[in-house]
Amino acid sequence: GQQVMQIPQYQHVQEGEDFTTYCNSSTTLSNIQWYKQRPGGHPVFLIQLVKSGEVKKQKRLTFQFGEAKKNSSLHITATQTTDVGTYFCAGRDDYKLSFGAGTTVTVRA
Amino acid sequence: DAGITQSPRHKVTETGTPVTLRCHQTENHRYMYWYRQDPGHGLRLIHYSYGVKDTDKGEVSDGYSVSRSKTEDFLLTLESATSSQTSVYFCAISDLGGDTQYFGPGTRLTVL
Repeated sequence: GQQVMQIPQYQHVQEGEDFTTYCNSSTTLSNIQWYKQRPGGHPVFLIQLVKSGEVKKQKRLTFQFGEAKKNSSLHITATQTTDVGTYFCAGRDDYKLSFGAGTTVTVRA
Repeated sequence: DAGITQSPRHKVTETGTPVTLRCHQTENHRYMYWYRQDPGHGLRLIHYSYGVKDTDKGEVSDGYSVSRSKTEDFLLTLESATSSQTSVYFCAISDLGGDTQYFGPGTRLTVL
């Protein structure tokens, strides 16, 4: 079945710095979704990308879908303490999603 | 947040006992999913449902069964709990299969 790999598993960031997390699939994806889970909370939908090469922004977050639709990235600029949590990518697999293992982000003030 | 509740929110049980977790939605979404979350593994799909009485297995279905007799309720049963089933269980719903999913608050299950 479809496998979605996500790196890095952990990201320790100084407040104010930028970082990127990457998502790679073994197969072509019809769409890619990103979720955020705060510590102790549940995953919350952030965004969906559908088109090859698509780029979407949400304030300091930039999401990109690769040209071959097999990879995606999430770039956060000027990291803040509110960015703490685990970010998951998920690829559509028929009527379900295949989630990556997530990138857990901690922020040093 | 979407209208999704899970019960119980916390449970401690002993090896070999049956356990049922309930997911209830008020959104009338067709698709419902059960995931388990363990450190280093992200969210792994246990079972999902695409309609009343219509269910299918996910990647980690061994030791679990599900039932959906009404649109709003999706039950996950561990027939005989084992320590390896200690985990956080999340229910999710979706209006369209493979589309945006909305998650419940989770159930923390400990099997001693």
